[in-house]
Amino acid sequence: AQKVTQAQTEISVVEKEDVTLDCVYETRDTTYYLFWYKQPPSGELVFLIRRNSFDEQNEISGRYSWNFQKSTSSFNFTITASQVVDSAVYFCALSEAWSGNTPLVFGKGTRLSVIA
Amino acid sequence: NAGVTQTPKFRVLKTGQSMTLLCAQDMNHEYMYWYRQDPGMGLRLIHYSVGEGTTAKGEVPDGYNVSRLKKQNFLLGLESAAPSQTSVYFCASSSSDRGIEAFFGQGTRLTVV
Repeated sequence: AQKVTQAQTEISVVEKEDVTLDCVYETRDTTYYLFWYKQPPSGELVFLIRRNSFDEQNEISGRYSWNFQKSTSSFNFTITASQVVDSAVYFCALSEAWSGNTPLVFGKGTRLSVIA
Repeated sequence: NAGVTQTPKFRVLKTGQSMTLLCAQDMNHEYMYWYRQDPGMGLRLIHYSVGEGTTAKGEVPDGYNVSRLKKQNFLLGLESAAPSQTSVYFCASSSSDRGIEAFFGQGTRLTVV
């Protein structure tokens, strides 16, 4: 069975600090996809990134970067020089690919508060 | 481009009442999903559909029914609402291509008193 664990329930940082959100996953499938979503205080879910299990290259997008390590089943998300607008709940999610596009399984989320 | 639209956005129900939440998508997606979000629990899958006329149970299906009579619509029904169904409900849709992200509606906040 697939499972996503986000051990950090809440994180609080001061603006301009770097912060890493952890995500550990479990799956028996060899082909799978990992996602990060952001849920700002307004409540909508915003897609941030998708990685497939065959691509372990780290990715950087502006102040955001993602570190995918199959050896530790982790897909961590780092925000560099955090800003108040980064305050949100962040969800990591997993989709197995054994048959089409299986539903996303989400972690419980990490609430990030960036203090000015 | 509306994307995924949920109706209504807010609702208060009395215990035992019934209601239907409507989800509509205009992206011609094959797959549609209903999740519920509770504090500290993340998003949990209630039911999903891989095509018109087909539905399947997710992680927490009890107390809910769904129907997908048209490709663009996915309805979530509560036959006899209970306080435990107080939650924020999200609908999502995606294509059938592997690894494609799901697009979410804005959510429906339901309170059962």
